[in-house]
Amino acid sequence: AQKVTQAQTEISVVEKEDVTLDCVYETRDTTYYLFWYKQPPSGELVFLIRRNSFDEQNEISGRYSWNFQKSTSSFNFTITASQVVDSAVYFCALSEAQIGTGNQFYFGTGTSLTVIP
Amino acid sequence: GAGVSQSPRYKVAKRGQDVALRCDPISGHVSLFWYQQALGQGPEFLTYFQNEAQLDKSGLPSDRFFAERPEGSVSTLKIQRTQQEDSAVYLCASSLTSATNEKLFFGSGTQLSVL
Repeated sequence: AQKVTQAQTEISVVEKEDVTLDCVYETRDTTYYLFWYKQPPSGELVFLIRRNSFDEQNEISGRYSWNFQKSTSSFNFTITASQVVDSAVYFCALSEAQIGTGNQFYFGTGTSLTVIP
Repeated sequence: GAGVSQSPRYKVAKRGQDVALRCDPISGHVSLFWYQQALGQGPEFLTYFQNEAQLDKSGLPSDRFFAERPEGSVSTLKIQRTQQEDSAVYLCASSLTSATNEKLFFGSGTQLSVL
């Protein structure tokens, strides 16, 4: 079963529109971490945010905001007033502690965002 | 260097050739991961090192894939007798500690094309 599901494969928005990227995860652990990464055309994944399973407080960082809801196992990402530079593939990831084998990061299949000028 | 460095950036191999992909993590980083990313997909876990110890190799798709990190720094992913289905971007990532909440720092990847 997919641990992290990003149902939106591709999204296109016009510049200055708001856009929300969905992420649904699956885990049996009580302690886990959720991440969002951005992959621009250059290919290098860039860390955006980390959330632990005990902190459901929403977070805002500039034009970015994240909504974490354990009840629905979702960790959605909203970009307000989108810009062309936001065009990239965005990945949601889940980190679980694995006894004896260290960490395991599970990535979703990504959402390709295109912001049209 | 300041970031994770991978080489080569692009590699073209004929089917049946052996290839070696190099990863130079951020200095001092304990954890090192290899991921395989097919076109249009998310990174898929291959293997994990904590210092020189390979703690998890459950994601390696076959015994043609081998990874090592002998001195706990640079890592090499080797693929023997390459097949067309091995064509993908191979990403390396490192993190400062082995804690579950550590963020990963990624390299730009090696794009492998097997003809």
